Amino acid sequence: ETGVTQTPRHLVMGMTNKKSLKCEQHLGHNAMYWYKQSAKKPLELMFVYNFKEQTENNSVPSRFSPECPNSSHLFLHLHTLQPEDSALYLCASSQWRTDTQYFGPGTRLTVL
Amino acid sequence: GQQVMQIPQYQHVQEGEDFTTYCNSSTTLSNIQWYKQRPGGHPVFLIQLVKSGEVKKQKRLTFQFGEAKKNSSLHITATQTTDVGTYFCAGNSGGSNYKLTFGKGTLLTVNP
Repeated sequence: ETGVTQTPRHLVMGMTNKKSLKCEQHLGHNAMYWYKQSAKKPLELMFVYNFKEQTENNSVPSRFSPECPNSSHLFLHLHTLQPEDSALYLCASSQWRTDTQYFGPGTRLTVL
Repeated sequence: GQQVMQIPQYQHVQEGEDFTTYCNSSTTLSNIQWYKQRPGGHPVFLIQLVKSGEVKKQKRLTFQFGEAKKNSSLHITATQTTDVGTYFCAGNSGGSNYKLTFGKGTLLTVNP
């Protein structure tokens, strides 16, 4: 499945680093999402973009900064993260906000 | 806010045995979606149920949506080792305040 791609697939960063996660969808969808998946926790929705506009921010700390330059691309900028931010970060897209979501392979993030 | 509870959290079966996971929502749902995540993989959409009392089948998988549209189940008949993974339900609240809330998932392991 290559409809939704994410880079990098793995990332190790220090607490003072700045990095960005990239997501690209090739499905012509209008909505894109960032999720965090930690061990023993459910999928946590972080941000929702609909037609490039952010429509949802689920109380995510400001050290996570999303960017959606167009309907096909979504970024998650990371700075001064904490070790507890280590997790699998999943990007997803859907045709409309109410539709089935298609997930990317995720970025496995480790914060040292 | 909307909560989606899923049980059991873990289930280990012998190959050939049946398996069922249950999903309960604190609110009436517009529809419910089921996803499967293989170990090391990402969630992949399986099916969406919309109508009250709806039952859908995919080979050995049977999905049901409760009459009150607040609960759902996924039943696998005669499990195989390829069924291993985490099964998530996701409830859609619908309406203008659309929100897809994922359950914690049920991790299924199958002993060959």
